[in-house]
Amino acid sequence: DTAVSQTPKYLVTQMGNDKSIKCEQNLGHDTMYWYKQDSKKFLKIMFSYNNKELIINETVPNRFSPKSPDKAHLNLHINSLELGDSAVYFCASSQVWTNTEAFFGQGTRLTVV
Amino acid sequence: AQSVTQLDSHVSVSEGTPVLLRCNYSSSYSPSLFWYVQHPNKGLQLLLKYTSAATLVKGINGFEAEFKKSETSFHLTKPSAHMSDAAEYFCVVSDMNGNKLVFGAGTILRVKS
Repeated sequence: DTAVSQTPKYLVTQMGNDKSIKCEQNLGHDTMYWYKQDSKKFLKIMFSYNNKELIINETVPNRFSPKSPDKAHLNLHINSLELGDSAVYFCASSQVWTNTEAFFGQGTRLTVV
Repeated sequence: AQSVTQLDSHVSVSEGTPVLLRCNYSSSYSPSLFWYVQHPNKGLQLLLKYTSAATLVKGINGFEAEFKKSETSFHLTKPSAHMSDAAEYFCVVSDMNGNKLVFGAGTILRVKS
Protein backbone atom coordinates (compact mmCIF):
# COMPACT_ATOMS: atom_id res chain seq x y z
CA ASP A 1 0.00 0.00 0.00
CA THR A 2 2.55 2.55 -1.11
CA ALA A 3 1.23 6.09 -0.59
CA VAL A 4 3.40 7.83 -3.19
CA SER A 5 5.07 5.64 -5.75
CA GLN A 6 7.40 6.69 -8.52
CA THR A 7 9.00 4.72 -11.29
CA PRO A 8 11.63 3.94 -12.20
CA LYS A 9 13.79 3.91 -9.10
CA TYR A 10 16.99 4.13 -11.13
CA LEU A 11 17.47 5.57 -14.58
CA VAL A 12 20.74 5.66 -16.47
CA THR A 13 20.70 7.28 -19.88
CA GLN A 14 22.86 9.07 -22.40
CA MET A 15 23.04 12.80 -22.99
CA GLY A 16 20.52 14.04 -25.47
CA ASN A 17 17.93 11.37 -24.73
CA ASP A 18 14.36 12.03 -23.63
CA LYS A 19 13.06 10.26 -20.54
CA SER A 20 10.02 10.21 -18.27
CA ILE A 21 9.49 9.55 -14.59
CA LYS A 22 6.04 8.57 -13.40
CA CYS A 23 4.42 9.32 -10.07
CA GLU A 24 1.17 8.20 -8.50
CA GLN A 25 -0.38 8.87 -5.10
CA ASN A 26 -3.26 6.99 -3.49
CA LEU A 27 -3.79 9.39 -0.59
CA GLY A 28 -6.53 11.45 -2.19
CA HIS A 29 -4.38 14.58 -1.96
CA ASP A 30 -5.11 17.54 -4.19
CA THR A 31 -1.52 18.71 -4.70
CA MET A 32 1.53 16.99 -6.12
CA TYR A 33 5.11 18.12 -6.46
CA TRP A 34 8.45 17.36 -8.02
CA TYR A 35 11.58 18.08 -6.02
CA LYS A 36 15.18 17.77 -7.17
CA GLN A 37 17.95 16.67 -4.81
CA ASP A 38 21.38 17.54 -6.13
CA SER A 39 24.71 15.88 -5.40
CA LYS A 40 25.09 17.93 -2.22
CA LYS A 41 21.74 16.58 -1.02
CA PHE A 42 20.09 20.00 -1.33
CA LEU A 43 16.36 19.65 -2.03
CA LYS A 44 14.54 22.21 -4.10
CA ILE A 45 11.04 22.32 -5.46
CA MET A 46 10.64 22.20 -9.23
CA PHE A 47 6.88 22.08 -9.82
CA SER A 48 3.66 22.02 -7.89
CA TYR A 49 0.28 20.99 -9.28
CA ASN A 50 -3.03 21.54 -7.53
CA ASN A 51 -6.02 19.70 -8.96
CA LYS A 52 -4.13 19.14 -12.21
CA GLU A 53 -3.21 22.80 -12.58
CA LEU A 54 0.34 24.10 -12.47
CA ILE A 55 0.75 26.50 -9.57
CA ILE A 56 4.50 26.60 -9.04
CA ASN A 57 7.26 26.49 -11.63
CA GLU A 58 10.54 27.36 -9.99
CA THR A 59 12.56 28.57 -12.98
CA VAL A 60 13.13 25.09 -14.26
CA PRO A 61 14.45 24.78 -17.85
CA ASN A 62 11.66 24.18 -20.31
CA ARG A 63 13.27 20.86 -21.20
CA PHE A 64 11.40 19.69 -18.10
CA SER A 65 7.68 19.28 -18.70
CA PRO A 66 5.38 17.98 -15.99
CA LYS A 67 2.07 16.47 -16.92
CA SER A 68 -0.84 15.75 -14.60
CA PRO A 69 -3.52 13.65 -16.28
CA ASP A 70 -5.51 13.54 -13.05
CA LYS A 71 -5.15 14.47 -9.38
CA ALA A 72 -3.46 11.19 -8.54
CA HIS A 73 -0.70 11.36 -11.15
CA LEU A 74 2.11 13.75 -11.91
CA ASN A 75 4.66 12.66 -14.47
CA LEU A 76 7.90 14.38 -15.35
CA HIS A 77 9.23 14.35 -18.89
CA ILE A 78 12.73 15.55 -19.61
CA ASN A 79 13.94 16.35 -23.12
CA SER A 80 17.51 16.49 -24.36
CA LEU A 81 19.03 15.29 -21.12
CA GLU A 82 22.22 16.98 -19.94
CA LEU A 83 24.93 15.84 -17.54
CA GLY A 84 23.75 18.44 -15.02
CA ASP A 85 20.34 16.80 -14.85
CA SER A 86 21.88 13.92 -12.90
CA ALA A 87 20.19 14.00 -9.50
CA VAL A 88 17.58 12.28 -7.40
CA TYR A 89 14.06 13.39 -8.24
CA PHE A 90 11.38 13.09 -5.60
CA CYS A 91 7.66 13.16 -6.15
CA ALA A 92 5.46 14.24 -3.25
CA SER A 93 1.84 14.95 -2.46
CA SER A 94 -0.09 16.87 0.18
CA GLN A 95 -3.43 18.39 0.96
CA VAL A 96 -2.83 22.12 0.87
CA TRP A 97 -4.71 24.68 2.95
CA THR A 98 -4.61 22.27 5.86
CA ASN A 99 -0.89 22.55 6.64
CA THR A 100 -0.45 18.83 6.52
CA GLU A 101 2.90 17.40 5.68
CA ALA A 102 4.01 16.27 2.27
CA PHE A 103 4.42 12.58 1.64
CA PHE A 104 7.39 11.68 -0.52
CA GLY A 105 8.07 8.88 -2.93
CA GLN A 106 11.25 6.85 -2.72
CA GLY A 107 13.00 8.93 -5.34
CA THR A 108 14.32 8.30 -8.84
CA ARG A 109 18.08 8.41 -9.20
CA LEU A 110 18.77 9.77 -12.67
CA THR A 111 22.29 9.42 -14.04
CA VAL A 112 23.12 11.02 -17.37
CA VAL A 113 26.29 9.74 -19.00
CA ALA B 1 10.23 34.69 1.48
CA GLN B 2 10.64 31.81 3.85
CA SER B 3 14.03 30.28 4.53
CA VAL B 4 15.61 27.76 6.83
CA THR B 5 19.15 27.60 8.18
CA GLN B 6 20.49 24.42 9.65
CA LEU B 7 23.40 25.51 11.75
CA ASP B 8 25.46 22.32 11.57
CA SER B 9 26.20 20.34 8.44
CA HIS B 10 27.47 17.39 10.50
CA VAL B 11 26.79 16.28 14.07
CA SER B 12 28.51 13.34 15.71
CA VAL B 13 27.32 11.79 18.98
CA SER B 14 27.96 8.60 20.89
CA GLU B 15 25.22 6.03 21.21
CA GLY B 16 23.12 6.72 24.29
CA THR B 17 23.94 10.43 24.47
CA PRO B 18 21.56 13.30 23.64
CA VAL B 19 21.06 14.60 20.12
CA LEU B 20 20.60 18.27 19.23
CA LEU B 21 20.13 19.37 15.63
CA ARG B 22 19.71 23.11 15.27
CA CYS B 23 17.40 24.95 12.92
CA ASN B 24 16.53 28.62 12.54
CA TYR B 25 13.81 29.84 10.24
CA SER B 26 12.80 33.08 8.63
CA SER B 27 9.17 33.77 7.81
CA SER B 28 6.92 36.80 7.55
CA TYR B 29 3.95 34.90 8.94
CA SER B 30 3.31 32.15 11.44
CA PRO B 31 4.96 29.19 9.75
CA SER B 32 4.39 25.47 9.58
CA LEU B 33 7.64 23.69 10.33
CA PHE B 34 8.72 20.11 9.81
CA TRP B 35 11.63 17.79 10.35
CA TYR B 36 12.23 15.08 7.78
CA VAL B 37 14.79 12.28 7.94
CA GLN B 38 16.52 10.61 5.01
CA HIS B 39 18.39 7.37 5.54
CA PRO B 40 21.09 6.49 2.98
CA ASN B 41 19.60 5.80 -0.45
CA LYS B 42 16.10 6.12 0.94
CA GLY B 43 13.21 8.54 0.59
CA LEU B 44 12.15 11.25 3.00
CA GLN B 45 10.20 10.39 6.12
CA LEU B 46 8.38 12.88 8.31
CA LEU B 47 9.65 12.94 11.90
CA LEU B 48 7.36 15.63 13.27
CA LYS B 49 5.53 18.83 12.41
CA TYR B 50 4.55 22.11 14.04
CA THR B 51 1.39 23.81 12.84
CA SER B 52 0.66 26.50 15.47
CA ALA B 53 -0.67 24.18 18.14
CA ALA B 54 1.55 23.10 21.04
CA THR B 55 5.05 24.56 20.83
CA LEU B 56 6.67 21.31 21.98
CA VAL B 57 6.09 18.72 19.31
CA LYS B 58 6.69 15.03 19.74
CA GLY B 59 7.54 12.89 16.76
CA ILE B 60 8.44 9.34 15.91
CA ASN B 61 11.39 7.38 17.27
CA GLY B 62 11.66 9.51 20.41
CA PHE B 63 12.42 12.78 18.64
CA GLU B 64 10.88 16.08 19.63
CA ALA B 65 11.25 19.72 18.67
CA GLU B 66 10.37 22.99 20.30
CA PHE B 67 9.07 25.98 18.40
CA LYS B 68 10.50 29.20 19.85
CA LYS B 69 9.09 32.23 18.11
CA SER B 70 11.29 34.71 20.00
CA GLU B 71 14.39 32.87 18.80
CA THR B 72 12.94 31.83 15.42
CA SER B 73 14.20 28.35 16.15
CA PHE B 74 12.89 24.83 15.79
CA HIS B 75 15.66 22.60 17.14
CA LEU B 76 15.33 18.82 17.03
CA THR B 77 16.29 16.78 20.08
CA LYS B 78 16.38 13.22 21.30
CA PRO B 79 17.43 12.19 24.81
CA SER B 80 19.41 9.12 23.78
CA ALA B 81 20.84 8.41 20.34
CA HIS B 82 20.55 5.01 18.75
CA MET B 83 22.72 3.64 15.97
CA SER B 84 19.67 3.54 13.71
CA ASP B 85 19.32 7.33 14.03
CA ALA B 86 22.33 7.84 11.76
CA ALA B 87 20.89 9.65 8.75
CA GLU B 88 20.47 13.09 7.23
CA TYR B 89 17.91 15.39 8.79
CA PHE B 90 16.16 18.26 7.06
CA CYS B 91 14.41 21.18 8.70
CA VAL B 92 11.61 22.44 6.48
CA VAL B 93 9.27 25.44 6.41
CA SER B 94 6.06 25.59 4.44
CA ASP B 95 5.01 28.65 2.48
CA MET B 96 1.91 30.51 3.60
CA ASN B 97 -0.46 28.62 1.32
CA GLY B 98 1.17 25.27 1.91
CA ASN B 99 2.00 25.14 -1.78
CA LYS B 100 5.63 24.29 -1.32
CA LEU B 101 8.20 23.24 1.22
CA VAL B 102 11.48 25.06 1.61
CA PHE B 103 14.25 22.76 2.80
CA GLY B 104 17.30 23.50 4.86
CA ALA B 105 20.65 22.22 3.64
CA GLY B 106 20.49 19.19 5.90
CA THR B 107 22.45 17.91 8.90
CA ILE B 108 24.18 14.56 8.75
CA LEU B 109 23.95 12.79 12.08
CA ARG B 110 26.63 10.23 12.86
CA VAL B 111 26.21 7.93 15.85
CA LYS B 112 29.32 6.28 17.25
CA SER B 113 29.23 3.02 19.16
